[in-house]
Amino acid sequence: DGGITQSPKYLFRKEGQNVTLSCEQNLNHDAMYWYRQDPGQGLRLIYYSQIVNDFQKGDIAEGYSVSREKKESFPLTVTSAQKNPTAFYLCASSHSNTGELFFGEGSRLTVL
Amino acid sequence: GEDVEQSLFLSVREGDSSVINCTYTDSSSTYLYWYKQEPGAGLQLLTYIFSNMDMKQDQRLTVLLNKKDKHLSLRIADTQTGDSAIYFCAEIPNSGAGSYQLTFGKGTKLSVIP
Repeated sequence: DGGITQSPKYLFRKEGQNVTLSCEQNLNHDAMYWYRQDPGQGLRLIYYSQIVNDFQKGDIAEGYSVSREKKESFPLTVTSAQKNPTAFYLCASSHSNTGELFFGEGSRLTVL
Repeated sequence: GEDVEQSLFLSVREGDSSVINCTYTDSSSTYLYWYKQEPGAGLQLLTYIFSNMDMKQDQRLTVLLNKKDKHLSLRIADTQTGDSAIYFCAEIPNSGAGSYQLTFGKGTKLSVIP
């Protein structure tokens, strides 16, 4: 089945540690996105990529990094520089010429 | 910058109609979307409307667009307990950046009372 897969679903980390969230899609979509969701805040864009080997910062990129070495994969690293990393992270993909996003099931990161 | 506004909560009785409202700021938005998020899951596209349309109906869902007032609404007829979720309004602002990034509202949490 075609879809977008995020892992892990739940992740705990200690302060000062970097963590990487995985996002893989087999929909042959050009564009991929990472959003952060906090209660009452809606979705905020962290990074997006419209093509392999290229990505742009979103509204809240500080403390995060990404790579896009393959079309199918868009991992997000939450670095120790991110002040408040506890959140629900959503990955999405789309064809480059449409606004319809396909979302993964999300990864919930908790910093202890 | 662009902003999409929604009320945060809505509570309805099972069988009644639900109306979720949204206002947006970019009058040149071409597409407007409604996404649904069930607890602990990602978002799923419910429906969308082109800006040259006033209304779109899809089974129990009716979308109304008032471009003059930049107002979008989603009506769910015969609301069921399975409709309990967060509903997000979204637009693609015509920022000229050449990308198709959506701007989301903060979401309306719909609670259906049995």
